[in-house]
Amino acid sequence: GAVVSQHPSRVICKSGTSVKIECRSLDFQATTMFWYRQFPKQSLMLMATSNEGSKATYEQGVEKDKFLINHASLTLSTLTVTSAHPEDSSFYICSAPTSGGAADTQYFGPGTRLTVL
Amino acid sequence: GDSVTQMEGPVTLSEEAFLTINCTYTATGYPSLFWYVQYPGEGLQLLLKATKADDKGSNKGFEATYRKETTSFHLEKGSVQVSDSAVYFCALKYIQGAQKLVFGQGTRLTINP
Repeated sequence: GAVVSQHPSRVICKSGTSVKIECRSLDFQATTMFWYRQFPKQSLMLMATSNEGSKATYEQGVEKDKFLINHASLTLSTLTVTSAHPEDSSFYICSAPTSGGAADTQYFGPGTRLTVL
Repeated sequence: GDSVTQMEGPVTLSEEAFLTINCTYTATGYPSLFWYVQYPGEGLQLLLKATKADDKGSNKGFEATYRKETTSFHLEKGSVQVSDSAVYFCALKYIQGAQKLVFGQGTRLTINP
C-alpha cells in the first residue's frame, strides 16, 4: 500500500523556538495533505488542509500564523510550529489521500511527538 | 455538522471473546465510512471501509456493515487476540468535495491472555 513518512518522529525543543515537521508521500503524488493533532487519549483534530500550489485551509480555531503550512511539491508538505510553547506539545499526524473517486483512501504518517519545554 | 460517536472505552476482553465496538454517525449526505486502528507507538492504519449503504467492510477477521437506516457502522470480530489490543477509530468522509475525515473519539481495546 501507499506510504506516508514523517520527520522527525520525536522532537524536544525549548519554549519560543520554531519546529518544522515534514510529511512525505513516498510512492504517490498528493495534491492535498492533511495535518492533525492528537491529544493524549483523545481523537484526532483536523488542523488544516495543505494544498499544493496554494494556501493551506485552516480549521476554525487554528492559528494560521502559529502553524505555518507549506506544500512545496506533490510529495512534501511541512508544518512549522512557530514560537512553540508547552501547550503546543502534542502528537502531530499528517495524512494524504490517493487518487480521487469512491474508493480513495487516506494514508497516515506515523506521527511526530513534539515536546516543548 | 457531521459527527461520529463511538462507544466509550476502555474495553477490556479476554482472548477469543467476541468484540463489538459501536459507532454511529450524523451526516447530511451519504459518506463513506471507515475504521482505523492505531497500535501502540504507531500511526493510524486503515482497517476496513464501506462506501455505500449495506456494504460490508472486512479485514483481519474484523467486519463492519454500513447501516443507513440506523446510521451505524459497528465493528465486530468473532474471536479477538492479544495482538488486537489497540485504539480503534471510526470515521466518515464524503466522496465528493473536500476529503476531510471526521473521526470519532477512539476506543481503546485491551485483550488479556
